[in-house]
Amino acid sequence: KAGVTQTPRYLIKTRGQQVTLSCSPISGHRSVSWYQQTPGQGLQFLFEYFSETQRNKGNFPGRFSGRQFSNSRSEMNVSTLELGDSALYLCASSVGQGTDTQYFGPGTRLTVL
Amino acid sequence: QKEVEQDPGPLSVPEGAIVSLNCTYSNSAFQYFMWYRQYSRKGPELLMYTYSSGNKEDGRFTAQVDKSSKYISLFIRDSQPSDSATYLCAMGSSGAGSYQLTFGKGTKLSVIP
Repeated sequence: KAGVTQTPRYLIKTRGQQVTLSCSPISGHRSVSWYQQTPGQGLQFLFEYFSETQRNKGNFPGRFSGRQFSNSRSEMNVSTLELGDSALYLCASSVGQGTDTQYFGPGTRLTVL
Repeated sequence: QKEVEQDPGPLSVPEGAIVSLNCTYSNSAFQYFMWYRQYSRKGPELLMYTYSSGNKEDGRFTAQVDKSSKYISLFIRDSQPSDSATYLCAMGSSGAGSYQLTFGKGTKLSVIP
């Protein structure tokens, strides 16, 4: 079975721009979670989607948003980029129950200049 | 106090040594516990998943959970240079706030040949 895929793998943007990242979950997985990883804060939860509905949201500003499509693929969007948004953005998929194992993709490394 | 505390290291050991990695947590709602391994420039890879207090063994890896002390450990026996990575503990609950994992900041391990 193919793993979680994320595109693009690397991205360079400038302050004020917006960016869209994409995640394709493992086949049969209906839940997609997004995390931000930085050296200072570690891995922090952004939000989780299941059947196109956001079930849970972390403590991030409204500039961070996401959505999920009927095929379970998910996108996250960051508007008005700030230097502090430079991070590795990780997507994880699971079958969908609360205690399910989450499987991570390789991440998208975003650099904001 | 952070919900999950993990010593960032770095930890350097000789090949063949037994490695002990630990996390403490403060949230009594956490019910399931995971250890992930993350190589440089890769996404986290699940190593161990436990749901109850006690020990769980898988090959050279043993996960230990003590819910009364809010303390979890990962032991690596006969450590190999290929074990050099960052190890992340993660925790989740099945009630409100489920569908998200809370991570420690990770311990960077180097196994020296």
